[in-house]
Amino acid sequence: RKEVEQDPGPFNVPEGATVAFNCTYSNSASQSFFWYRQDCRKEPKLLMSVYSSGNEDGRFTAQLNRASQYISLLIRDSKLSDSATYLCVVNRQAGTALIFGKGTTLSVSS
Amino acid sequence: NAGVTQTPKFRVLKTGQSMTLLCAQDMNHEYMYWYRQDPGMGLRLIHYSVGEGTTAKGEVPDGYNVSRLKKQNFLLGLESAAPSQTSVYFCASSRAGDFTDTQYFGPGTRLTVL
Repeated sequence: RKEVEQDPGPFNVPEGATVAFNCTYSNSASQSFFWYRQDCRKEPKLLMSVYSSGNEDGRFTAQLNRASQYISLLIRDSKLSDSATYLCVVNRQAGTALIFGKGTTLSVSS
Repeated sequence: NAGVTQTPKFRVLKTGQSMTLLCAQDMNHEYMYWYRQDPGMGLRLIHYSVGEGTTAKGEVPDGYNVSRLKKQNFLLGLESAAPSQTSVYFCASSRAGDFTDTQYFGPGTRLTVL
C-alpha cells in the first residue's frame, strides 16, 4: 500500500456542485494531516490543516478518520477558481518530514 | 516580503554538466526543503535542513548535494546531471515546529537535462 493515496481524477463538476475527495494513508502513527492546493504550473499552497474533530473553512470541510486511516476534503458550491490539484499531505510519525500525495485534479466548469 | 524565491526559473543542461539551484527566504524560517515534482509521482523530498549549517537526506537524495551556510539560503547542487533529473524543483521553508508548520513554496525551477 502506498504511503498516501489519492484518486487522481480528474473530477469535472459544474459551478455550484459539491465535490468530495478522499485520501488514504498507510502509517497508523501519522500525526499531522493537511490539504495543499496547487494551481497549474504553480507552487503548492496550504489550503487547510486537518484536525481530529474535523474542521471547516468557508466552503471547505476537512475530516479525519483515524480508524480507517483516511482524510477527506469536501468543497461546497464549487467556483471556477477552485479548479486546481488538491494534495493530501501527512507525516509518517511525529517529528518526521511530510509526505505528499500525488494529488486529485478538480476542474469546475460554467 | 518576497517570501521564497528560486533562481533560476528555467534551465537546460547537457548530461554530465553541473549546476546549483538557489533558494532564498526572507521569513526567518528555520526549516528549508528541496522537492522534485514529476508527472504521476507527486512531490518527493530530496534534502532538507532544520537550521543553519545542518542538512539531512530526504526520500530521493542520490545525485544531489545541498548546503545551508546562511539561514536564509538553501542551495541544491547537481554535480553531474542525468536525464532522470529532468524535473520541476521546488524549494520550501517553514518555521521550526516538528515539520508541521505551514510550508511556503517558491515558484519552482524547471530543469531539463538532455
